Amino acid sequence: EAGVTQFPSHSVIEKGQTVTLRCDPISGHDNLYWYRRVMGKEIKFLLHFVKESKQDESGMPNNRFLAERTGGTYSTLKVQPAELEDSGVYFCASSQDPNGELFFGEGSRLTVL
Amino acid sequence: GDSVTQMEGPVTLSEEAFLTINCTYTATGYPSLFWYVQYPGEGLQLLLKATKADDKGSNKGFEATYRKETTSFHLEKGSVQVSDSAVYFCALSQGQGAQKLVFGQGTRLTINP
Repeated sequence: EAGVTQFPSHSVIEKGQTVTLRCDPISGHDNLYWYRRVMGKEIKFLLHFVKESKQDESGMPNNRFLAERTGGTYSTLKVQPAELEDSGVYFCASSQDPNGELFFGEGSRLTVL
Repeated sequence: GDSVTQMEGPVTLSEEAFLTINCTYTATGYPSLFWYVQYPGEGLQLLLKATKADDKGSNKGFEATYRKETTSFHLEKGSVQVSDSAVYFCALSQGQGAQKLVFGQGTRLTINP
């Protein structure tokens, strides 16, 4: 069974441009999470989907970030316009139920120049 | 708010050495505690967890005991191998699951043969 997949694995863009990251969770996992690790600091929670609904988006840093999960399958995280401080690694994770084990993808590295 | 502090790395050891990576936390109530590991080129994987005070999580020779009196969850292994080289993250969540993890900054471990 495929794990959580994310792409692109690495994206390099200029400040002011737009980037869209995609996450495909494990099939059947209703819970999908986005996290990010900026500049070697701690990994921080961004938001949590249950199916297509945003359960908790308290970690989203500002309105330049937009996450969607249409149809309750894959999710996208768009950053528009990107700023230098958005550089980091964006992790996606999924779980079958909220109390279950979280399975992480390899992460998408974003570099904003 | 909740927070996790773990010892700064990088940590470099020789094969068969004893490993301790310190982790302390600040949280309200009784959080669940986790250690995640990220091997090169892979996503984060759950290494072990403990959900209540005095519980010991163990896996692959690693152990950590939930110490409420010292708010700690130190990771230990008696004899490390080259294959243990990775980045280790301590984390907590409120409740038994991993719905919204709060991570430490990560500790890079390198084991030399």
